[in-house]
Amino acid sequence: SQELEQSPQSLIVQEGKNLTINCTSSKTLYGLYWYKQKYGEGLIFLMMLQKGGEEKSHEKITAKLDEKKQQSSLHITASQPSHAGIYLCGADISGTSGTYKYIFGTGTRLKVLA
Amino acid sequence: DTEVTQTPKHLVMGMTNKKSLKCEQHMGHRAMYWYKQKAKKPPELMFVYSYEKLSINESVPSRFSPECPNSSLLNLHLHALQPEDSALYLCASSQVPTGVYNEQFFGPGTRLTVL
Repeated sequence: SQELEQSPQSLIVQEGKNLTINCTSSKTLYGLYWYKQKYGEGLIFLMMLQKGGEEKSHEKITAKLDEKKQQSSLHITASQPSHAGIYLCGADISGTSGTYKYIFGTGTRLKVLA
Repeated sequence: DTEVTQTPKHLVMGMTNKKSLKCEQHMGHRAMYWYKQKAKKPPELMFVYSYEKLSINESVPSRFSPECPNSSLLNLHLHALQPEDSALYLCASSQVPTGVYNEQFFGPGTRLTVL
């Protein structure tokens, strides 16, 4: 099973609707990152969450980290066609093991219908 | 300059060819990464360079050979690749290799096709 699961796998919404993407870890998180990727392109860093309960917003995107649940959510308000793409969470789960480990979630494909 | 650049954008090569991918950043980052991404899959870490030294090799076949000539440049040398190596190759950099300030900045990728 994946160490970083995202849900849903894909999402189609009408423009103007709100939506939420979840990222759940089976390991202790030492920082959770959200990225957006257009097909065949590089990843664009959206935001980073470090502490449990932390919430950050940028334009119409808000991300929260629930440390107890080892989960993060990404919420988009009043979605627009420009929000379409693949959303990936990333996490450093190295901990104190001495072995570096940075992983990505399974990804959520978002389509916004105009 | 807050950009990671990668060249070439596209590369088509035969199984007997030798080619190189190039990645450059001028943000003063001391960690650089190579990822491989197959279609509809998340990126998979291949190599990590920390302070110009190879610190992580995720059991990548020797037909992929990374090189970090200086703190701004990262190369990936390719030789005798297989068709299953066709993928998007992404380069990334971060301030430090691990820890809480590990947001990684990605380049646009090189789309590699092996015939």
